Amino acid sequence: DAGVTQSPTHLIKTRGQQVTLRCSPISGHKSVSWYQQVLGQGPQFIFQYYEKEERGRGNFPDRFSARQFPNYSSELNVNALLLGDSALYLCASSFETGGYQETQYFGPGTRLLVL
Amino acid sequence: AQTVTQSQPEMSVQEAETVTLSCTYDTSENNYYLFWYKQPPSRQMILVIRQEAYKQQNATENRFSVNFQKAAKSFSLKISDSQLGDTAMYFCAFMKWGKTQGGSEKLVFGKGTKLTVNP
Repeated sequence: DAGVTQSPTHLIKTRGQQVTLRCSPISGHKSVSWYQQVLGQGPQFIFQYYEKEERGRGNFPDRFSARQFPNYSSELNVNALLLGDSALYLCASSFETGGYQETQYFGPGTRLLVL
Repeated sequence: AQTVTQSQPEMSVQEAETVTLSCTYDTSENNYYLFWYKQPPSRQMILVIRQEAYKQQNATENRFSVNFQKAAKSFSLKISDSQLGDTAMYFCAFMKWGKTQGGSEKLVFGKGTKLTVNP
């Protein structure tokens, strides 16, 4: 079975530009979460989506937005990029049953460098 | 709010030996999961082991086992018979467990422990 997939693997942008990152969850998983991992730190929660609706948002500015599609894939958008947005962006998917969320499984990440 | 603390930024171990990574957490929740994830240089975050807080029995997965002390809010990972492929960053993570009721259940991570297995 295919795991969580993310594209692109690497991305270089300049300050002020906009970027879109993509994620496809494990088949059968309807929940997708996004995390930002800066060098030397643990991942920080950005968003969680379930059944196309935003379930939760971390402490990130409005420049960060996301959406989930009918096939449960997801996009993370970041506008007006800053140097500090350089990080590894991780997508995780999970199964939910009876209202209980299960273990999150991660994709390989997208490395974003802002120059 | 939950916090996760990993007090060992770096550790090293000889191949075939045993090593224990420490993690403490703070929460007022009673129902939760605790996880250890491994992130090798290839950067993919891989689940190592999961512990449900309501279970008294410590989780084991082959060479990996945990020592879960709920009252002390401690969750250490023991790696037996260390292998070169165990070299990675190890992250301890907390997730509240329960009916989501439309809310999100996010993972809260520690800062990680860099483990090097030496030949």
